[in-house]
Amino acid sequence: EDQVTQSPEALRLQEGESSSLNCSYTVSGLRGLFWYRQDPGKGPEFLFTLYSAGEEKEKERLKATLTKKESFLHITAPKPEDSATYLCAVQAREDSWGKLQFGAGTQVVVTP
Amino acid sequence: ETGVTQSPTHLIKTRGQQVTLRCSSQSGHNTVSWYQQALGQGPQFIFQYYREEENGRGNFPPRFSGLQFPNYSSELNVNALELDDSALYLCASGNRVDYGYTFGSGTRLTVV
Repeated sequence: EDQVTQSPEALRLQEGESSSLNCSYTVSGLRGLFWYRQDPGKGPEFLFTLYSAGEEKEKERLKATLTKKESFLHITAPKPEDSATYLCAVQAREDSWGKLQFGAGTQVVVTP
Repeated sequence: ETGVTQSPTHLIKTRGQQVTLRCSSQSGHNTVSWYQQALGQGPQFIFQYYREEENGRGNFPPRFSGLQFPNYSSELNVNALELDDSALYLCASGNRVDYGYTFGSGTRLTVV
């Protein structure tokens, strides 16, 4: 069965203190791995899609990387506005196009 | 782009009742998916509609049903509500060309 595990569950950072979030996955044929950001009471906001091992994508202070078993979201010199829950999701080739399997997320708090 | 809009934003229902949630997809998106997100968890895939037909379903009972209309708006219907149905219900629309998924802000359903 496909599975997505995110760690740590929660992360508290000082402003400027870089860190990484982990997403481990098992899937029978990966079509894509997605990273979303979710603010309290809001829907997930799309960040990145990664398709194959070795791929990297960057957006402002965020950088996502992908291997055959896990993905990392690196946050460089975070600011308080980066506080959010970060969700990882995978889509299997055998699944319907709109189906994403999500992890439980990592809650990130960045303090000034 | 108009984004994905959902209504209502909040709803309180009594156990055993029926509820209909609505979603207006982003312009140009012909696929819509519905997700259930319990507190502290990642979203769980309910089902997907493409060109007004259901073509993918997660592990949810038949009392969860849906419709997609020609203008790509959609509905999620839940019959015989149970206390465990209390959650944030998210709609996501996408387009196979640009391979993106855009989420709405969700409907918070409370069953008492």
